[in-house]
Amino acid sequence: GDSVTQMEGPVTLSEEAFLTINCTYTATGYPSLFWYVQYPGEGLQLLLKATKADDKGSNKGFEATYRKETTSFHLEKGSVQVSDSAVYFCVMDSNYQLIWGAGTKLIIKP
Amino acid sequence: DARVTQTPRDKVTEMGQEVTMRCQPILGHNTVFWYRQTMMQGLELLAYFRNRAPLDDSGMPKDRFSAEMPDATLATLKIQPSEPRDSAVYFCASAVAAGEGVSEAFFGQGTRLTVV
Repeated sequence: GDSVTQMEGPVTLSEEAFLTINCTYTATGYPSLFWYVQYPGEGLQLLLKATKADDKGSNKGFEATYRKETTSFHLEKGSVQVSDSAVYFCVMDSNYQLIWGAGTKLIIKP
Repeated sequence: DARVTQTPRDKVTEMGQEVTMRCQPILGHNTVFWYRQTMMQGLELLAYFRNRAPLDDSGMPKDRFSAEMPDATLATLKIQPSEPRDSAVYFCASAVAAGEGVSEAFFGQGTRLTVV
C-alpha cells in the first residue's frame, strides 16, 4: 500500500549547519507531497508542498524537490537556526487521504 | 484570519467519564480529520469526514469512541467511557478535497486530554 518513510531522529546539529531530512514514498500514482512542522507545544502547520514531479517547494529557507525517479522529497536547509528545532513530518496525499511519515525530531544547538 | 478552533484546550477527567471534544473547521473546507498524538504511538489518524460523511474511522476504537459532524461548522469526538490509555493530544484538521487531491490541512491547537 501507499506509505511514507522518513529518517529517524532525533537529528542534532549545530547552528548554521546544513540540514537534510530524507523522505521517500511509495504510491501508485503521482501524489502531492508536503512537509509539516510541529514546534514544541504547538499544533502542526504546513511548511512547504509540491504537487508534481520536479516541483520545488520552499518556505523559511527550507526546500524540497519532488523527485519522481527516486520517489523522494528530501527536506533541506542551508543554515539552520535554534528556532528550527521542531518535529518535521513528510506527508503524502493518497486518494484524498493524508499519509504521514513517523516524524523526525530536529534539535539545533547554539 | 481563518483557523480551526478546538475546545476545550485542556481536559482532565476521571476514568469512566464521558469526554466530548469539539472542532470548528474552516468555513468552506469539506474535509475534516481527527488525529491522536502520543509520545509512544506518534500521530495516528482516528477518523475523517468528507462533506460531513464519515469516510474512514478504522483507526478509532469503536467500542468507546465516536465521531460525528452534526453540521458543517461542527465536528465532535466523543469517548465513553474514558480510560487512562486515552490520555493524549487530540488534533482536528480541515482541508479542501477537490479534483487534484487534498489541499493544505489546517490544524487546530489540539485538546490535551488527561484521564486519571
